[in-house]
Amino acid sequence: EAQVTQNPRYLITVTGKKLTVTCSQNMNHEYMSWYRQDPGLGLRQIYYSMNVEVTDKGDVPEGYKVSRKEKRNFPLILESPSPNQTSLYFCASRTVMNTEAFFGQGTRLTVV
Amino acid sequence: DQQVKQNSPSLSVQEGRISILNCDYTNSMFDYFLWYKKYPAEGPTFLISISSIKDKNEDGRFTVFLNKSAKHLSLHIVPSQPGDSAVYFCAASRGDAGNNRKLIWGLGTSLAVNP
Repeated sequence: EAQVTQNPRYLITVTGKKLTVTCSQNMNHEYMSWYRQDPGLGLRQIYYSMNVEVTDKGDVPEGYKVSRKEKRNFPLILESPSPNQTSLYFCASRTVMNTEAFFGQGTRLTVV
Repeated sequence: DQQVKQNSPSLSVQEGRISILNCDYTNSMFDYFLWYKKYPAEGPTFLISISSIKDKNEDGRFTVFLNKSAKHLSLHIVPSQPGDSAVYFCAASRGDAGNNRKLIWGLGTSLAVNP
């Protein structure tokens, strides 16, 4: 089954404690991206990657890091989480030629 | 500044009737538009799309209409079913210099289809 898998689904952490949210896709897609969804602001792109070892900033990259060492994985790293990073996060993947993206189920992160 | 606007946060429709969800955009450079559906505790799933060179695209019960002069698109669901109850997001896209094809999202419309 074609899917994008994120882990964990829910996470509560404390300010400053480094965390990683994993994302994996099994569709051999070149393009992967991370979004955050906040009330009244909709979905905003954090980072994207057009292929292995190629990453770039989206609209709201501050406070986040990503890596793309393998085609299937695109982890989101918060080196020092802060409460304003409390949000619902989605990972998505697609081929470079298409615009229709497949989304993971989301990770609800709370930073206290 | 919201480039893609879904002005109705919610919509309630009777089963069997037509649901019409609206979306307005401000950037005339957008050349591709998509609708996604989202159920609670799940990620958005792609529903239907339309290129700016067309004014209509149909897929089963779902039809998207694009009016470029008005910078407006709409999603029609006929007939509406209770399983269509979800949040519907409109998204617009344009290519940039790096071929990112970033999606700009509306805030969503919550559709409730009542039995």
